[in-house]
Amino acid sequence: GAVVSQHPSWVICKSGTSVKIECRSLDFQATTMFWYRQFPKQSLMLMATSNEGSKATYEQGVEKDKFLINHASLTLSTLTVTSAHPEDSSFYICSADYGLAGATDTQYFGPGTRLTVL
Amino acid sequence: GENVEQHPSTLSVQEGDSAVIKCTYSDSASNYFPWYKQELGKRPQLIIDIRSNVGEKKDQRIAVTLNKTAKHFSLHITETQPEDSAVYFCAASIGTLTFGKGTMLLVSP
Repeated sequence: GAVVSQHPSWVICKSGTSVKIECRSLDFQATTMFWYRQFPKQSLMLMATSNEGSKATYEQGVEKDKFLINHASLTLSTLTVTSAHPEDSSFYICSADYGLAGATDTQYFGPGTRLTVL
Repeated sequence: GENVEQHPSTLSVQEGDSAVIKCTYSDSASNYFPWYKQELGKRPQLIIDIRSNVGEKKDQRIAVTLNKTAKHFSLHITETQPEDSAVYFCAASIGTLTFGKGTMLLVSP
């Protein structure tokens, strides 16, 4: 149980294009999902908290117009990197909250998406 | 906001030795402390967690201790094996997880 999938696992795109990443909880419903960014040999940095049916909450310094998040159902959240640039190249990882609704609890992570912007 | 410090950044041990990784947190309201293991290019995997109403938790070769007064928690791995080699992250939660910078553990045969 508690499986989270992420698609695609890797993507290469040209500068200026947009990329959509999907995060799905396969065997449980997740009111809350999270999007992280991880640079090589660094820790996970929370970008935003995605709440089903409402607007995402972005961390300080994360541009909400650049990183669009949609949590349309209890099993799917999407992150769209708009007008991607080489500095957006990174490992993007989602997680899903396995805990009680409204209370962050155990998080299970997706396998990550490696984005390379040329 | 919450700040989590993790030490050491790297740890090399011989197979069979014990390994200890320590973390401190700043916000006394934090009430959930998970530990994740991440192998290169893969997802973080939850290996053990502890809540603020418990002082110690053990799962086979892995144990975690929590000192709320000192705002300090530690991961203990006994009888280490080469497959334990990975990066380990601690985290503290007051609604969202704040991660430490990670510890690269290398277990040599």
